[in-house]
Amino acid sequence: DAGVIQSPRHEVTEMGQEVTLRCKPISGHDYLFWYRQTMMRGLELLIYFNNNVPIDDSGMPEDRFSAKMPNASFSTLKIQPSEPRDSAVYFCASSPDRGLSHGYTFGSGTRLTVV
Amino acid sequence: RKEVEQDPGPFNVPEGATVAFNCTYSNSASQSFFWYRQDCRKEPKLLMSVYSSGNEDGRFTAQLNRASQYISLLIRDSKLSDSATYLCVVGMFSGGYNKLIFGAGTRLAVHP
Repeated sequence: DAGVIQSPRHEVTEMGQEVTLRCKPISGHDYLFWYRQTMMRGLELLIYFNNNVPIDDSGMPEDRFSAKMPNASFSTLKIQPSEPRDSAVYFCASSPDRGLSHGYTFGSGTRLTVV
Repeated sequence: RKEVEQDPGPFNVPEGATVAFNCTYSNSASQSFFWYRQDCRKEPKLLMSVYSSGNEDGRFTAQLNRASQYISLLIRDSKLSDSATYLCVVGMFSGGYNKLIFGAGTRLAVHP
């Protein structure tokens, strides 16, 4: 298995632009998680999906952030408009369950810089 | 109080040393416990699960103390390649859902 695949690996964009991050979970994993990591706040859960349905989006910072999972093999996290404080590493992770038994498998992350 | 707390370190140790990290968690009903490792500019990777009776994987030993709500990770005979950030992870009911909560991590630097 190729693992969790994220794209792009790096993204540099100007403030106000729309940014779309992409994720392909491991096949057969019913749970998909989006995390953001910064030096100040560590790893923060933004949202997670179960069988393509958003379950808990309480971590989404504000309306500028949205996430979708149109099918079992693809998810996007969109930021519109982007701001410099959105600069962080965004990780996608997947799990065959809620992760309570096996943990999560993370993708390589997208390093976002908003200038 | 944070749900999962760790000493941020850094722990600077020589090769061959034994080093221990502790982590405390707030929810006494938590059922799942893990240690993850994160290398610089890489994703977190599962190092080992932590079981109630304690468990060992080579040079790594994990312990759980439910009464005191803390988890520990012991690394024996440290190698240069052990240099990384170690994340304590607890499965708990938070914000209305069961999910994994990550600590901020403890940084380990092993030097020659």
